[in-house]
This record gives sequence, structure tokens and C-alpha cells, in this order.
Amino acid sequence: DAGVIQSPRHEVTEMGQEVTLRCKPISGHNSLFWYRQTMMRGLELLIYFNNNVPIDDSGMPEDRFSAKMPNASFSTLKIQPSEPRDSAVYFCASSSHPDSPLHFGNGTRLTVT
Amino acid sequence: AQRVTQPEKLLSVFKGAPVELKCNYSYSGSPELFWYVQYSRQRLQLLLRHISRESIKGFTADLNKGETSFHLKKPFAQEEDSAMYYCALRSDTGRRALTFGSGTRLQVQP
Repeated sequence: DAGVIQSPRHEVTEMGQEVTLRCKPISGHNSLFWYRQTMMRGLELLIYFNNNVPIDDSGMPEDRFSAKMPNASFSTLKIQPSEPRDSAVYFCASSSHPDSPLHFGNGTRLTVT
Repeated sequence: AQRVTQPEKLLSVFKGAPVELKCNYSYSGSPELFWYVQYSRQRLQLLLRHISRESIKGFTADLNKGETSFHLKKPFAQEEDSAMYYCALRSDTGRRALTFGSGTRLQVQP
């Protein structure tokens, strides 16, 4: 298994543009998590899904952020419009159950200029 | 609300010295505590969890409910221990997703 797959690895965009980050969880994992990593705040949970249903999106910073999980093998995190303060590394993680250890992807490094 | 605090952003020690990475939490129930590690150019991965009461790569961590702490310790640091370490908490009710601390970078110098 290739593990959790995120794309793109790096994204550089201009302020105001739409950004879409993608995640493919490990096959058979029912829970999927989006985290944001910054120097100042470390790892912050944005949203998590269980069986494709959003369970907790209280960490989504603003309405500019949205996440979907249309099926068990794919999720997207969209930012529209993007702002420089959104620059961070965005991690996707999955687990076989909400209580199981997380398996992280390699992350997407987003830079908004 | 649950919160995890890692007071040190950077901890630098020499090879062979003891290491203690501090983690304190605030939560009123019975949490489950974890340490995750991210080595250079690798994915963030689970190092250990308190319910397992195990030693991984020489690291141990004991949950101290009185002090609400879960410090990570190793008696003799190795250069390959250099990495970013995150303490994390899972609540026993409600929100089941992990809450992470801000992380501590451990530098082990030769």
C-alpha cells in the first residue's frame, strides 16, 4: 500500500485564486482527517470525516474553506479565495476507525503570494 | 475544551545526554495521549501511545494525571532521534479526532 496520497506536493498561487488540495486515503480506512501545520500553531485539525460524512468541521477557519468526501477513496480541501495567511502545509490522514492510529500523507505545501 | 501544550519549540542536546520533551494537557475527562514524530523528509508517524505502556526506540512516556503531563523521555539521545515531536490528545467523549500540540524540534548534536 502506498499509504495516504496527497496532491499536489507543492502549490504556489496568487492571492484571490482558488486552490484545491486532494487526498486519497488508505484503502479500507473509514476515517479521514485534514490538518494544517504552521510554525506558530503547529498541527490544527480542520475537519474530519467518518464513512464519508463530515463529523467535526469546527476547525475550518472561515467560509473560504470547504471540504468534501464524495466517496471512500477521495477527498478535497478547497480554499476560495486564497489569502497569504493560508500559506501552510496541509496534511491529510486516515485511519481504519476514529480511535485507531493516524496514517499521514506527505502533505501539500501551499504558498499564497 | 481540550488543549495540548508543548512549551519548548526547540530542544538541543548532545549525543548520549538524557532527553525530556515536555507535554501538558488540559482536559476534564480521561484522555488518551500519544506522541507522533516526523523525521526529516518522512511522514508524520505514531511513536507511542500511553495505553500501550511500551518503549519505542528507547523512548518512554508516562501519563501523570495529577500533573496533567505526558512527557517523552529517553535516557541517552542518539543523532537519529533528531526530528519534530508532537504530543496529541484524544478525548474520551465527543470529539474523537486528535488534538495536537505545537510541536518540539529535537536536535541531537554529535
